[in-house]
Amino acid sequence: QVQLVESGGGVVQPGRSLRLSCAASGFTFSDYAMHWVRQAPGKGLEWVAVIWYDGNKKYYVDSVKGRFTISRDNSKNTIYLQMNSLRVEDTAVYYCARDRRRFGEVFDYWGQGTLVTVSS
Amino acid sequence: QSVLTQPPSASGTPGQRVTISCSGSNSNIGINYVCWYQQLPGTAPKLLIYRNNQRPSGGPDRFSGSKSGTSASLAISGLRSEDEAYYYCATWDDSLSGVVFGGGTKLTVL
Repeated sequence: QVQLVESGGGVVQPGRSLRLSCAASGFTFSDYAMHWVRQAPGKGLEWVAVIWYDGNKKYYVDSVKGRFTISRDNSKNTIYLQMNSLRVEDTAVYYCARDRRRFGEVFDYWGQGTLVTVSS
Repeated sequence: QSVLTQPPSASGTPGQRVTISCSGSNSNIGINYVCWYQQLPGTAPKLLIYRNNQRPSGGPDRFSGSKSGTSASLAISGLRSEDEAYYYCATWDDSLSGVVFGGGTKLTVL
């Protein structure tokens, strides 16, 4: 069965960096686009970034452009989110989600999430 | 403030039919498919509807979706206590080149 397991969350000071990972299993990883979606405490869902199945296209929400980088290693069935220059407002649970297709905007499977807290 | 507009709350009694609306614009709902997600307390979201009105394999047929112009709706029939959750609409926005969500609707089963 499809499994997505995020890791790398924690407490970090403003301005510092953190890298999240999402290990996938149970499907042919290189056939699907992958996304990061976040949810601030007590708030709604916010899409963060997508990377196409082959890694050739990436899109980001405006608030993280230039600070966050999504990447994937199809040999390791893993995606990453490198987060630099972190801000207090980046505090959230970060979910990894699989797309239904090689490129798209439908999240058919989700991980359990990893909490990132940005605080001094 | 979310790009897509949903009512913050909705409610119904067991067995009733309730609908949740999602309003957008010509750069998102007007030209792209809409999805709906359910988020139960303390859990990750779950896909309910994609391509406006398609259910994932195994998805309950009590949930249905529709779209007209720049608005979409989720209907839940035969309401059950376990349907109490947050519901989010989402779609691609061509102007923003990204996925946009509604602010979420909290459904209460009275």
